[in-house]
Amino acid sequence: DGGITQSPKYLFRKEGQNVTLSCEQNLNHDAMYWYRQDPGQGLRLIYYSQIVNDFQKGDIAEGYSVSREKKESFPLTVTSAQKNPTAFYLCASSGQGQGETQYFGPGTRLLVL
Amino acid sequence: GDSVTQMEGPVTLSEEACLTINCTYTATGYPSLFWYVQYPGEGLQLLLKATKADDKGSNKGFEATYRKETTSFHLEKGSVQVSDSAVYFCALSDQYNFNKFYFGSGTKLNVKP
Repeated sequence: DGGITQSPKYLFRKEGQNVTLSCEQNLNHDAMYWYRQDPGQGLRLIYYSQIVNDFQKGDIAEGYSVSREKKESFPLTVTSAQKNPTAFYLCASSGQGQGETQYFGPGTRLLVL
Repeated sequence: GDSVTQMEGPVTLSEEACLTINCTYTATGYPSLFWYVQYPGEGLQLLLKATKADDKGSNKGFEATYRKETTSFHLEKGSVQVSDSAVYFCALSDQYNFNKFYFGSGTKLNVKP
């Protein structure tokens, strides 16, 4: 079945530690996205990538970094510079073109120890 | 800039009641419009979409009509079930930058038996 996988489901970060969230898709989509969701709130865009080896900052990129070395993969690193990383992180992908749907993965919940 | 406004929740209904969740948008041109549903601890799932004015999206008994004149895309269902309890998000993708999605803040629906 085609879809988006995110791992791990839960992730714990210690103070001063960088952690990396995985996102993989087998939908053959060119575009991929990372969102942050805080309790009871909507989605905020962190980074997005329209093509391999290219990505753009979203609305809240500070304290995060990404790479897009393969079409299928778009990992997100939460760096120690992100002072309030506790949130639910959602990865999505879509085709290129007007009206294309963004498809979401199951999410990773990041907690700080 | 583009934005989506949806009614605040939570909305609490009895089983078999009628549902309307209001959504209005601000955008230039002709955006594409979407409704997503999120169950606890999960990612977002596409519920329905409409890509041009006067289109009606429908799925699982839910409907929404793209109204350009009122810049609205209200979600409706004639008879809700307990299993419809979830958070519903209205979203748009810009006509000129279709990779950029704008999400509403979400409306939580509670359906009681």
